[in-house]
Amino acid sequence: QQQVKQSPQSLIVQKGGIPIINCAYENTAFDYFPWYQQFPGKGPALLIAIRPDVSEKKEGRFTISFNKSAKQFSLHIMDSQPGDSATYFCAASIRFSGNQFYFGTGTSLTVIP
Amino acid sequence: EAQVTQNPRYLITVTGKKLTVTCSQNMNHEYMSWYRQDPGLGLRQIYYSMNVEVTDKGDVPEGYKVSRKEKRNFPLILESPSPNQTSLYFCASRTGSSMNTEAFFGQGTRLTVV
Repeated sequence: QQQVKQSPQSLIVQKGGIPIINCAYENTAFDYFPWYQQFPGKGPALLIAIRPDVSEKKEGRFTISFNKSAKQFSLHIMDSQPGDSATYFCAASIRFSGNQFYFGTGTSLTVIP
Repeated sequence: EAQVTQNPRYLITVTGKKLTVTCSQNMNHEYMSWYRQDPGLGLRQIYYSMNVEVTDKGDVPEGYKVSRKEKRNFPLILESPSPNQTSLYFCASRTGSSMNTEAFFGQGTRLTVV
């Protein structure tokens, strides 16, 4: 059973657009929600992360919006660039419990020049 | 440079021939994990280790073994590989500190079992 559900599977936007990737979870014990970015031929790398005590976190052009009551969080990429073309994974974990990261199924983003 | 190193990067093998994928990290991290990445399924955890000699199953452990004899190394062993283990494998590590939970991933190992 998928602990974290991610959509859409793929996304194509024009340069300057604002792609939005959504994730949902069920386990209310999750308390850490990172987003990982993966370029072809590379391992995933941490992009931005949020804890459930805040509703939004912004780092540069990347913003996470978090809705605790709905058990949903999303990644917004402002002024998207062709260099943002990559696969994005959301994840969830419980900080003080083992090493279980539960990843979404990934979103392949293509930003057209 | 802080890194997680996996070897080999690419491997083609035949069904039933035992193989080992190595993973080494130079960040003195307590936690290490193995994931497999398959299209449409994302990253699924195979095994993880919270420290030396402490390992546990993840979501898809069948057909795999691991060991953690040293803090820096966490090899993945396929005793009798089968075609359904054809996948892209990633090793990851992170500190045990509760204040820093970023996972660092290796470059990946693309395994094909024929």
